[in-house]
Amino acid sequence: KAGVTQTPRYLIKTRGQQVTLSCSPISGHRSVSWYQQTPGQGLQFLFEYFSETQRNKGNFPGRFSGRQFSNSRSEMNVSTLELGDSALYLCASSSDRGNPWAEQYFGPGTRLTVT
Amino acid sequence: AQRVTQPEKLLSVFKGAPVELKCNYSYSGSPELFWYVQYSRQRLQLLLRHISRESIKGFTADLNKGETSFHLKKPFAQEEDSAMYYCAPPLSGGSYIPTFGRGTSLIVHP
Repeated sequence: KAGVTQTPRYLIKTRGQQVTLSCSPISGHRSVSWYQQTPGQGLQFLFEYFSETQRNKGNFPGRFSGRQFSNSRSEMNVSTLELGDSALYLCASSSDRGNPWAEQYFGPGTRLTVT
Repeated sequence: AQRVTQPEKLLSVFKGAPVELKCNYSYSGSPELFWYVQYSRQRLQLLLRHISRESIKGFTADLNKGETSFHLKKPFAQEEDSAMYYCAPPLSGGSYIPTFGRGTSLIVHP
């Protein structure tokens, strides 16, 4: 099976712009989660989507949003970018099947730099 | 709140020495916990999970409900064990925000 893929791998944006990141989960996985990884804060949970519905949301401002399509692919959007949004954004998929204890499979991440 | 904490940011040992990476949790009910590992220039991947009770690459982790801990142990560290290790809760299905530990960087010196 192909692993989780994320595009683009690198992005440079300017403060105030918006950005959309994409994630394709492992085939058959219906749960997709997004995380922000920074050296100081580690991994912070952004949100989880399951079957096109947001199932859980972390403590991030409303500028961070996401969605999931019928093929389980997911996108994450950040509007009005701030310098502090510079981070590695990780996507993870899980087979779930009603079991939240399933393993998460991570993508390589999108490195976002805001200048 | 359901959370895990990793008190050590960095752990530095010599090859052949025992290793223990600490993880403490605060959960109600019976927890399920994971250890994920991120080697240099590789993606984050599962190392082991409590429910499997297995040993992976010589690492084991036992859930201690009395101490609310899930420490990762290996009797003899190898240089290839150098990586970032994260203790993690499961996805909750919405009942709480799954908060990873901040990670422990393990460096094994030759």
